[in-house]
Amino acid sequence: GENVEQHPSTLSVQEGDSAVIKCTYSDSASNYFPWYKQELGKGPQLIIDIRSNVGEKKDQRIAVTLNKTAKHFSLHITETQPEDSAVYFCAASMIGGFKTIFGAGTRLFVKA
Amino acid sequence: IAGITQAPTSQILAAGRRMTLRCTQDMRHNAMYWYRQDLGLGLRLIHYSNTAGTTGKGEVPDGYSVSRANTDDFPLTLASAVPSQTSVYFCASSEGPNYGYTFGSGTRLTVV
Repeated sequence: GENVEQHPSTLSVQEGDSAVIKCTYSDSASNYFPWYKQELGKGPQLIIDIRSNVGEKKDQRIAVTLNKTAKHFSLHITETQPEDSAVYFCAASMIGGFKTIFGAGTRLFVKA
Repeated sequence: IAGITQAPTSQILAAGRRMTLRCTQDMRHNAMYWYRQDLGLGLRLIHYSNTAGTTGKGEVPDGYSVSRANTDDFPLTLASAVPSQTSVYFCASSEGPNYGYTFGSGTRLTVV
């Protein structure tokens, strides 16, 4: 089955700096890669997603890149702000699949 | 406000007792899911339903059962709770496969 590995587990950056979180997946049939942000005491919230027919997608300060050959994808947050502090999860699922597999999460701290 | 409602928000349960976690969505999403979240392990899929009347097993289904009698409700039942089922449980829904999830706020369950 699919396996998703996420690194780093903890990331601390200074406000205004960029943050990068990386994930690798094992099943080449995976074609949908969402990213979720989870704030303390809340459920995860979808922040951006990418499909395998696209190499990069941007939404304001966040972007996701996908390398299908290497089977890895990354989340980039630019100009980080204290409110970006949260746990971020990557995930992967296959065409028509209902079994989305999540990475273990990255706790991001943005220091003011 | 459209979304997912989970109940209860937290529960302490004696081992061996039966418990049903409730989940209701008002977005008319076809697919619904139950995940458990444990520290360091991310989110693991317990069961899912791609449409009313059908269910499927996820990564960690043992000890849990679900039903999907209608589009809106997707209860999760622990027939005989054990301490290893202590976790935070999240219900989610999506329009279908390969679409982002909307998560509820979670149920924190402690089995003693």
